[in-house]
Amino acid sequence: QKEVEQDPGPLSVPEGAIVSLNCTYSNSAFQYFMWYRQYSRKGPELLMYTYSSGNKEDGRFTAQVDKSSKYISLFIRDSQPSDSATYLCAMSAGTGGFKTIFGAGTRLFVKA
Amino acid sequence: DTGVSQDPRHKITKRGQNVTFRCDPISEHNRLYWYRQTLGQGPEFLTYFQNEAQLEKSRLLSDRFSAERPKGSFSTLEIQRTEQGDSAMYLCASSAVGNEQFFGPGTRLTVL
Repeated sequence: QKEVEQDPGPLSVPEGAIVSLNCTYSNSAFQYFMWYRQYSRKGPELLMYTYSSGNKEDGRFTAQVDKSSKYISLFIRDSQPSDSATYLCAMSAGTGGFKTIFGAGTRLFVKA
Repeated sequence: DTGVSQDPRHKITKRGQNVTFRCDPISEHNRLYWYRQTLGQGPEFLTYFQNEAQLEKSRLLSDRFSAERPKGSFSTLEIQRTEQGDSAMYLCASSAVGNEQFFGPGTRLTVL
């Protein structure tokens, strides 16, 4: 079993829809949770960074962490065609020397 | 441009040749990471530097791989005697304190 599980999709939604992306994990030591967006043949771009449980909102993006269920989510409101990309969840047990584990990524297509 | 830069962006080489990639992190970041990403997968951790010290290496980093960060600024990743299985995107990221890693555009390696 992988430490981080993420549905690869693809997920196809109409423009303006609310998108829900999710990851589950098995390592209870994870405390730092990130979401990255990656366009084709580009490096990942950090979208959201959260510590421990709770919600964090930034514009159209909301990240949720439920450590009791070992489940994290990213919600995208009013999705746009420019949101079409692969979304990677990532998590780490600490900072600096603790390696970051990435999910395989979910491919999202937002249709105009 | 104050982001992470990588050079070259693309490298095609023949099996058995040596290749070297360069990463220039964000100038105030003292932490630098190397990852490898294959198609349909998330980035896999390879190694981590804090300043010039290489503090952690993945088991993925065989003895054909070596990384350096001689003055705590830019870093190089060398692969000796390349194999077809080394074909991948090699990503560099940097961070200050905390775990917010910022990625470069990557170097795409193709081994023929």
